[in-house]
Amino acid sequence: SQTIHQWPATLVQPVGSPLSLECTVEGTSNPNLYWYRQAAGRGLQLLFYSVGIGQISSEVPQNLSASRPQDRQFILSSKKLLLSDSGFYLCAWTRGQALYNEQFFGPGTRLTVL
Amino acid sequence: AQSVTQLGSHVSVSEGALVLLRCNYSSSVPPYLFWYVQYPNQGLQLLLKYTTGATLVKGINGFEAEFKKSETSFHLTKPSAHMSDAAEYFCAVSDGYSTLTFGKGTMLLVSP
Repeated sequence: SQTIHQWPATLVQPVGSPLSLECTVEGTSNPNLYWYRQAAGRGLQLLFYSVGIGQISSEVPQNLSASRPQDRQFILSSKKLLLSDSGFYLCAWTRGQALYNEQFFGPGTRLTVL
Repeated sequence: AQSVTQLGSHVSVSEGALVLLRCNYSSSVPPYLFWYVQYPNQGLQLLLKYTTGATLVKGINGFEAEFKKSETSFHLTKPSAHMSDAAEYFCAVSDGYSTLTFGKGTMLLVSP
């Protein structure tokens, strides 16, 4: 069976510090991978998605970046965090040909920027 | 472009009452529609999805949704609410390729 992991589960960081969140998927190959941010009252905002190693699509311009160094690894980064980066970050995966395949979500990372 | 509107950021029902969560969509391609549930501090879990075929879709935990093309709606219902149904619910539509567009969510509150 497939599983998706995110770490850390919670993170408190000062403004201006760097960020690295990691997501890994087990039990599948060539998944599509997604990063979402969830802020209070704003639903889910798609940040990045990837259909393959090294292939990153950005949905929202901001001070965040994403990388996919391995098939089942997806990393969200920032060089300098802003207060507005606080939120609940969710990673998700879906099988290729994702026309109607559901996305499977990880447990999330709660980021607080102070 | 796709969009999803969920009417009501909060819905309150009594235990045993009918649950109705509304979702309207806009899509430039034949829509594939999803309902997800999120419990506090957890990821999202799929409740049900509509792709093609039968317009009444049954999901987990007794939920179902009906796709109505003429009304561009995909409302979620459950005949009898349970305390464990208290959570946030998200409707989503596929872009026809790789991404989903989610609504802003509806928090379901269930009182005893």
